[in-house]
Amino acid sequence: GENVEQHPSTLSVQEGDSAVIKCTYSDSASNYFPWYKQELGKRPQLIIDIRSNVGEKKDQRIAVTLNKTAKHFSLHITETQPEDSAVYFCAAGTYKYIFGTGTRLKVLA
Amino acid sequence: GAGVSQSPRYKVAKRGQDVALRCDPISGHVSLFWYQQALGQGPEFLTYFQNEAQLDKSGLPSDRFFAERPEGSVSTLKIQRTQQEDSAVYLCASSLVAGLASMEQYFGPGTRLTVT
Repeated sequence: GENVEQHPSTLSVQEGDSAVIKCTYSDSASNYFPWYKQELGKRPQLIIDIRSNVGEKKDQRIAVTLNKTAKHFSLHITETQPEDSAVYFCAAGTYKYIFGTGTRLKVLA
Repeated sequence: GAGVSQSPRYKVAKRGQDVALRCDPISGHVSLFWYQQALGQGPEFLTYFQNEAQLDKSGLPSDRFFAERPEGSVSTLKIQRTQQEDSAVYLCASSLVAGLASMEQYFGPGTRLTVT
């Protein structure tokens, strides 16, 4: 079946450094790629998304890139802050999402 | 406006009991999804409604799981004869757009089910 692989599973960075999370998907029909941030015990919150007809999108300190040929997409967070610490999930989908397994990001002050 | 709400937030059931989990989507949202999130894992798709029609139930783990959305708004996920492996957070999400177009889903806070 369809799946999404996400790496790394944990990531520790110093405050102010950049963080990169990578995902690979298998379903060629996927045309929408959201990224969610989930804090402990909270609901997933959309932080950025990208559609299949776009290669890159940026929103302040967050950017996402998509390579449809390779079925890869990545999340880039620059100038990380302690409040960026959370679990981040990528997803690939059409009407339903297939989620990655998550990356626990720790930003060390 | 109000976001997606779910109740109860926490549910403890003894093995073999039936449970019912409720989801109130954002008003006017056509699409509704249920996901299951095991501890330390990403959410996994269970089922999808477009209005009152259940268009995809391919993710339901067994015939003990049943979902409905009779009037196209509130949805209930029912689990019969609960088993320990059913312990998870059950997330509901809704989306304004219908059909197969890609769309943003808004998630509820989830119901944490613990089966003892």
